[in-house]
Amino acid sequence: DAGVIQSPRHEVTEMGQEVTLRCKPISGHDYLFWYRQTMMRGLELLIYFNNNVPIDDSGMPEDRFSAKMPNASFSTLKIQPSEPRDSAVYFCASSSERVNTEAFFGQGTRLTVV
Amino acid sequence: RKEVEQDPGPFNVPEGATVAFNCTYSNSASQSFFWYRQDCRKEPKLLMSVYSSGNEDGRFTAQLNRASQYISLLIRDSKLSDSATYLCVVNVRNYQLIWGAGTKLIIKP
Repeated sequence: DAGVIQSPRHEVTEMGQEVTLRCKPISGHDYLFWYRQTMMRGLELLIYFNNNVPIDDSGMPEDRFSAKMPNASFSTLKIQPSEPRDSAVYFCASSSERVNTEAFFGQGTRLTVV
Repeated sequence: RKEVEQDPGPFNVPEGATVAFNCTYSNSASQSFFWYRQDCRKEPKLLMSVYSSGNEDGRFTAQLNRASQYISLLIRDSKLSDSATYLCVVNVRNYQLIWGAGTKLIIKP
């Protein structure tokens, strides 16, 4: 298995532009997580899905952030409009239904908003 | 008080030494516990789960103290390749994974 695949790996955009981050989870995994990591705040859970359904989005910072999972093999995280404070590394992770199981992370998208 | 707290370090340790760090958690209903390792500019990866009875994997030993609400990670005979940030993760309830900010470890030759 190729693991969790995220794209793009790096994104530089201007303030006010729309940014879309993409994630392909590991096949057969029922849970998908979006995280944001910064030096100041560490790793924060933004939202997670179970069987393509958003379960908890309480970590999404503002209405500018939205996430979708149209099918079991694809998810997007969208920021519109983007702001410089959104600059961070965004990780997608997936795991299986079993409790206490490992979360597998993608390599992350390094977002810079100028 | 943060739900999961770790000493950010860095811990500067000579190669071959033993190093240990703790992680405290505030929710007594926490169900499961993990240590993840994150290399610079890389994604976190599971190092080991932490069981009530404690567990060992080679040079690494993890322990859980529910009474005092902390978990620990001990690394023996440290290697240069052990240099990384170690993240403590607590599962409060179904998939509510709370992450510590991480402890940075630097192994010096």
